[in-house]
Order: sequence, then structure tokens, then C-alpha cells
Amino acid sequence: DAKTTQPPSMDCAEGRAANLPCNHSTISGNEYVYWYRQIHSQGPQYIIHGLKNNETNEMASLIITEDRKSSTLILPHATLRDTAVYYCIVSAYYGGSQGNLIFGKGTKLSVKP
Amino acid sequence: ETGVTQSPTHLIKTRGQQVTLRCSSQSGHNTVSWYQQALGQGPQFIFQYYREEENGRGNFPPRFSGLQFPNYSSELNVNALELDDSALYLCASSLGLAGGPSAKNIQYFGAGTRLSVL
Repeated sequence: DAKTTQPPSMDCAEGRAANLPCNHSTISGNEYVYWYRQIHSQGPQYIIHGLKNNETNEMASLIITEDRKSSTLILPHATLRDTAVYYCIVSAYYGGSQGNLIFGKGTKLSVKP
Repeated sequence: ETGVTQSPTHLIKTRGQQVTLRCSSQSGHNTVSWYQQALGQGPQFIFQYYREEENGRGNFPPRFSGLQFPNYSSELNVNALELDDSALYLCASSLGLAGGPSAKNIQYFGAGTRLSVL
């Protein structure tokens, strides 16, 4: 089972910041937070990841709370092409029966004109 | 574009048949993972191959099998197809252990193969 909880859907106006929350209250000290997104009919796309510090790259920012029990993915200026399902994943595992990425159902983000 | 290519893009089979799906990984990646994604669900881990050896398996029966070749490309084979095997099958490549503690889980996905079992 996924170790994260995300809202099933969210709306965002084009050009505004999209803030996608994720709860991971049982996260372990060695587990990272990863965000992927899946645009309709395509494979998931890696966005960003972090351990405990806030991270930023060309796609998004990741804010992790001090207790690491939740995080927020921020898309600073959402466009219509950002409409997708966003998955928050926590993992330290590699290989084995747990694999390395356990996907939940994610958040369906709809960016509206 | 991730550099991960899968073939074919679509496939229709009948129950009881066998199918082989193919995946070419991104250049320099030695690890390939396969996932099954049913409609409306997140991808589910099937298995992973690292340097031609199976490196982990999810909760899938033995009729799901795989191979990884010396060039790190991979195949997923499914025998005795069932109606519930209808899904999008995704392949992802990564640096694996060579990527370090966090980067090993950065996976680059192909566009998938849509399998329909009738």
C-alpha cells in the first residue's frame, strides 16, 4: 500500500501557483519524498525529490515540513499542459518485493483557462 | 522525451494467448523496472532487472516473466493471458544503485504498451 495520502482532485487557474499537498505521517528517517506526474495516456514523469530540505528545480519546488510528515509540491505558474495526475511517493527501498516506487491514486490536477 | 522506448504501442490478444512486450532503456541506465497500470489506478510494480538478473518482484504470478539483455534492453512476457491482464504496461529505466541513495529511485518511463485481452 502507498504510504502517502493525497486529495483526489484539485483545480487551479492558468498562470496561478498550484500547491499540491501530500501527507506521509509514517515516513522513516531514510525515506525520500518523490513526485511524479502522469499526463493522460503517457508514462509517469519524474518531477522532483527531497529528503528534508526544500528543493527547487526548473519544473517545481518541494516544501517538506520540519517533522517531515507532509510536503507540498508547488508549480509556480501553472499552464494548461500541467493538467495531469500527480503522485507523491516516499521510498528508501531499492529492488526486493517492495520494489522502489509504490504509486497511490495521486491527485488529478486540472488547470483551467 | 525520456529516451525509453516501448513496443508495440498497442496490442490485442485473446484469453489464453502469450504476449511479449519490449523496452529499450535510456543510454547509460543498467536497471529496468516494469509496471502494470489498470484503468483509473496508479502503476503497480511487477519486477525489476539489474545487470540481467531479477532484482525484486511485486505481487504478480509466475506467468509474468522477464528478461534483460547485455545492452540492458528488456522484455516482459505474460503467459496464459487473462481478461484482467488488460492494462497499460510501463517500462522504466534508471541508474539503479549507481545513482546513489536518492537517485536510484529516479526512474524514466516509456509511453507504455496498451494491452487489451478479449
